[in-house]
Amino acid sequence: QQQVKQSPQSLIVQKGGIPIINCAYENTAFDYFPWYQQFPGKGPALLIAIRPDVSEKKEGRFTISFNKSAKQFSLHIMDSQPGDSATYFCAARSSNTGKLIFGQGTTLQVKP
Amino acid sequence: DGGITQSPKYLFRKEGQNVTLSCEQNLNHDAMYWYRQDPGQGLRLIYYSQIVNDFQKGDIAEGYSVSREKKESFPLTVTSAQKNPTAFYLCASRIGGAGGEQYFGPGTRLTVT
Repeated sequence: QQQVKQSPQSLIVQKGGIPIINCAYENTAFDYFPWYQQFPGKGPALLIAIRPDVSEKKEGRFTISFNKSAKQFSLHIMDSQPGDSATYFCAARSSNTGKLIFGQGTTLQVKP
Repeated sequence: DGGITQSPKYLFRKEGQNVTLSCEQNLNHDAMYWYRQDPGQGLRLIYYSQIVNDFQKGDIAEGYSVSREKKESFPLTVTSAQKNPTAFYLCASRIGGAGGEQYFGPGTRLTVT
């Protein structure tokens, strides 16, 4: 079964720090890698996404780094703020079925 | 106001009862999805539908049923056969074809006692 492994499970940083969340996948038949942000009791919201032909994508304070040969991708949050405290999910979309396979999630706490 | 709506936000049922969760979208999206979220397990796909009157099982379809009679609506029924139904249920939709991001509704928290 296709899998996406996400780490760490939880992360605590000080305001202004740069939390990094890592994901690794086991199947090469993925064509799109989104990250979602979820606040407690809410649905996940699309944050940023990357395609495998790009090594890095930046949107505001959020950056995705993608290493196709290592089958790994990561999310960096620059100048993190307490309002960034949330659960973050990486995902990979199957090019065959269009389904998203999600990582297990990372709960981020940014301390003031 | 466009988007995906799920109702109700909280739902309580007694064990042994079937319950139907509503999901409606006015985004004109072709594909719709149901996920279940449990603490520490991420999102797991229950059922999905690419077009009206067609749907496929996801990874954890046992104990659930769906219908897709209209493009805008994709209700999920949690049957009494689902052994552990208490969870946070999320509906999502995506425009059809090869591209398109998947957008989520606000979720329904189901508690069965």
